[in-house]
Amino acid sequence: QVQLQESGPGLVKPSETLSLTCSVSGGSINSNHWSWIRQPPGKGLEWIGHIYYSGSTNYNPSLKSRVTISVDRSKNQFSLRLTSVTAADTAVYYCARYSLYGGTYPFDFWGQGSLVTVSS
Amino acid sequence: QSVLTQSPSVSGAPGQRVTISCTGSTSNIGAGYDVQWYQQLPGTAPKLLIYGNTNRPSGVPDRFSGSKSGTSASLAIIGLQAADEADYYCQSFDSSLSGSIVFGGGTKLTVL
Repeated sequence: QVQLQESGPGLVKPSETLSLTCSVSGGSINSNHWSWIRQPPGKGLEWIGHIYYSGSTNYNPSLKSRVTISVDRSKNQFSLRLTSVTAADTAVYYCARYSLYGGTYPFDFWGQGSLVTVSS
Repeated sequence: QSVLTQSPSVSGAPGQRVTISCTGSTSNIGAGYDVQWYQQLPGTAPKLLIYGNTNRPSGVPDRFSGSKSGTSASLAIIGLQAADEADYYCQSFDSSLSGSIVFGGGTKLTVL
């Protein structure tokens, strides 16, 4: 059973960079796409982007100028960097596997989520 | 404003049937892209409920079913239980947004 666990600071100052890491266990990162999704308090889900194990990426156009997702295959981890954050970036950040499953691509495994608050 | 539109809330009594709709457009659901459904229990991460419009992962009860027609998709829950009280999200792919994955705004299911 694949398990994902987010880690990183829970508080980031405005204009600074949010950085999170997702550790994958129970399976290799050397296949599938690996994603970041966020959920502002009391609101819905927003896809941030994903990375293929080879390093190719795809980002939400609304966040593309500020987002970088990278992968460290040696550590079975992938990471998120979001620059120039504002209060609107306050959210629970989830990492998830975006996997070919039954001929389609769902998010089939999720981390428990990491709350990041942007505040001075 | 989400690309996929869901009603904010739906309710039903135990044992009843409810449906949750997800309305898209010709650049996402109507273009033939698959719809997934996720269940988010309070305080937890979303869980895959339906994939490929109609399929259930192992472990998901057959009380949950999905369908798709035209530019819309639906999730039906029969034999409603208190444990089904959660937020439900649809998800698809949109070709007009540089190949972007999109979610519905979510529907809060209340079991009366």
